[in-house]
Amino acid sequence: QVQVQQWGAGLLKPSETLSLTCAVSGASSSGNYWSWIRQPPGKGLEWIGEFTQSGKTIYSPSLKSRASISVDTSRNEISLTLKSVTAADTAVYYCAIEANSGTYDFWGQGTLVTVSS
Amino acid sequence: SSELTQDPAVSVALGQTVRITCQGDSLRNYYSNWFQQKPGQAPVLVIYARHNRPSGIPDRFSGSSSGNTASLTITGARAEDEADYYCNSRDSSGYVVLFGGGTKLTVL
Repeated sequence: QVQVQQWGAGLLKPSETLSLTCAVSGASSSGNYWSWIRQPPGKGLEWIGEFTQSGKTIYSPSLKSRASISVDTSRNEISLTLKSVTAADTAVYYCAIEANSGTYDFWGQGTLVTVSS
Repeated sequence: SSELTQDPAVSVALGQTVRITCQGDSLRNYYSNWFQQKPGQAPVLVIYARHNRPSGIPDRFSGSSSGNTASLTITGARAEDEADYYCNSRDSSGYVVLFGGGTKLTVL
C-alpha cells in the first residue's frame, strides 16, 4: 500500500521561502505523477505542479515563476519550494501521488502553511 | 479553455439520487476525475478516467462524461456522503492540471 508523509515549516514571514518535503513508500517516481496541490482556508484546490512520468516538471502558469519541484529518487521524496511568499500563499499544502489511475490516488496528510508578519 | 466549472452547492434528500456536474472544453479531450473532501481531511479519489471507481469506493458512486460535461452521480445518498466534491482534468495542452471550484453537497 502507498503511504505518503509530508513535513515542513508551518509559519513564515512575507518574502521568505516555503519549503516542504513528502516521502513516498510503496510507489516509484518513475512511471507515475507526483505533485503538489494547495488549498487556501475555506477555498478550493489549486494545483501547483507535478513531476511527470517522463521526468519533466510542469507548473501552474500562475506559480511558475516562484515554484520549484524536485524529486530525490534515491530517497523516494518530492520537495516543493516557493519563493517570496505573501499572505496569499497561506494554505494547506498537499503532496499527491498517482499510482495507477492517471490521477492522484494517494494524498499526504496536508501541511498548513501560514504567512504572517 | 483553462477552466472547469461546478455549481457551488447542491442538496439531496437522504436516500435519493443526486448528480454533480462539471463543465469545461478540455473535457472533450481529457479524462475527468472526481475527489471527495470532508472537513479537515485530505481529498479522496472516488472516480477516475470518467467512470472508474477505485478499490473501496461504494458502487453508489458513478461517473460519466459527454461532450464538455462530466457528471458524478450518487445513487441512494447517505449522510456520510455530505462533503465537498471536486472535478479534475487537464487543460487543452494536456500538461496543466485543472480543478473545478468544488460543489458542497448537503444531504437533507
